[in-house]
Amino acid sequence: GAVVSQHPSRVICKSGTSVKIECRSLDFQATTMFWYRQFPKQSLMLMATSNEGSKATYEQGVEKDKFLINHASLTLSTLTVTSAHPEDSSFYICSARKTSNTIYFGEGSWLTVV
Amino acid sequence: DQQVKQNSPSLSVQEGRISILNCDYTNSMFDYFLWYKKYPAEGPTFLISISSIKDKNEDGRFTVFLNKSAKHLSLHIVPSQPGDSAVYFCAASAKGGADGLTFGKGTHLIIQP
Repeated sequence: GAVVSQHPSRVICKSGTSVKIECRSLDFQATTMFWYRQFPKQSLMLMATSNEGSKATYEQGVEKDKFLINHASLTLSTLTVTSAHPEDSSFYICSARKTSNTIYFGEGSWLTVV
Repeated sequence: DQQVKQNSPSLSVQEGRISILNCDYTNSMFDYFLWYKKYPAEGPTFLISISSIKDKNEDGRFTVFLNKSAKHLSLHIVPSQPGDSAVYFCAASAKGGADGLTFGKGTHLIIQP
């Protein structure tokens, strides 16, 4: 079946640095990918919609200059957390849309900012 | 304001019995609903979905029921198996699933032997 891969699965970075998370659709082309964030004991919250070849659409309250999203190809979207702070520590997960209503999720990436 | 609500944080069911997980939504624009299963430190795995034009969808042991007038959906798992123990998320989308998903907070299902 379809697979969406995220890398890295876990990352620790120092406060003030930037960290990049990759999301790849391994066996299908995804014109649209989504980025979510989950804080402990909370639901997955949509951060942004990433469309190949165009700017991402951010949800209300998500800082686009802090969470840079690039969808340079039909199989890769990246999320860069810039100038990371401890409050950015969270579980970040992407999903990729294969068809109009078939969406596959990556394994997620744990970010810890120290 | 939470648009997708799963009011039971946890549910314990005996192996072999039916598990019923409930989900309510408030946004009348939602027209596509999904259930995901999630193990700790892993991404959600798609289970089953339903479009608002249907009121029932069945796939093996999993059946999803949709009551549009009540803005309520439920996932039935029968018979429940130990491997079903996980957190189950209800998710909804407008525009037939073309938009990102709005998730509930999840229900932790525990299958007891």
